[in-house]
Amino acid sequence: AQTVTQSQPEMSVQEAETVTLSCTYDTSESNYYLFWYKQPPSRQMILVIRQEAYKQQNATENRFSVNFQKAAKSFSLKISDSQLGDTAMYFCAEIETSGSRLTFGEGTQLTVNP
Amino acid sequence: NAGVTQTPKFQVLKTGQSMTLQCAQDMNHNSMYWYRQDPGMGLRLIYYSASEGTTDKGEVPNGYNVSRLNKREFSLRLESAAPSQTSVYFCASSVLGAYGYTFGSGTRLTVV
Repeated sequence: AQTVTQSQPEMSVQEAETVTLSCTYDTSESNYYLFWYKQPPSRQMILVIRQEAYKQQNATENRFSVNFQKAAKSFSLKISDSQLGDTAMYFCAEIETSGSRLTFGEGTQLTVNP
Repeated sequence: NAGVTQTPKFQVLKTGQSMTLQCAQDMNHNSMYWYRQDPGMGLRLIYYSASEGTTDKGEVPNGYNVSRLNKREFSLRLESAAPSQTSVYFCASSVLGAYGYTFGSGTRLTVV
């Protein structure tokens, strides 16, 4: 069974600085997809970024980028130029190509301070 | 374009009461899911429906039942609510899991 672990329950960063959220996962599959979701206080789940395991190139979306280390089964999220609106719970998630279930980590609460 | 619509947004139940959480999507997605979110535990899968007419248990199915009424609608029923079912419930749908899921806005359920 796949597992996803986020070892940082809470993090904080100053506005305009860079922060990295950690995520590790375990899967026996060679083909899978990884995601970061953002959950602001509104409770809505918002897809931030997606990574295909068979692609070596790290995904980027504007200020958001990932460091995907397949051998280490690590998938960290880097947020550059942090903004107050980035304050949210962030979830790492994984789904196997052969599977049908998205498995989530425990979440990291990020607070951006002015 | 509504996406995934969940009702109600908030609910308080007494122990032993029953209720149904409703979910509908208008994106023509085949697969639908019910998750619960608890502090420090992330989102855990309760039940899912890979396609119309099929349902399967997820990680935490005990105390719940589901119905895939048609391609658009997937409901979650609590037959006899317990305080341990106090949680935030999310419905989600997908056309293909590799592209991620689209989530509803969640239902905060409190069982007293």
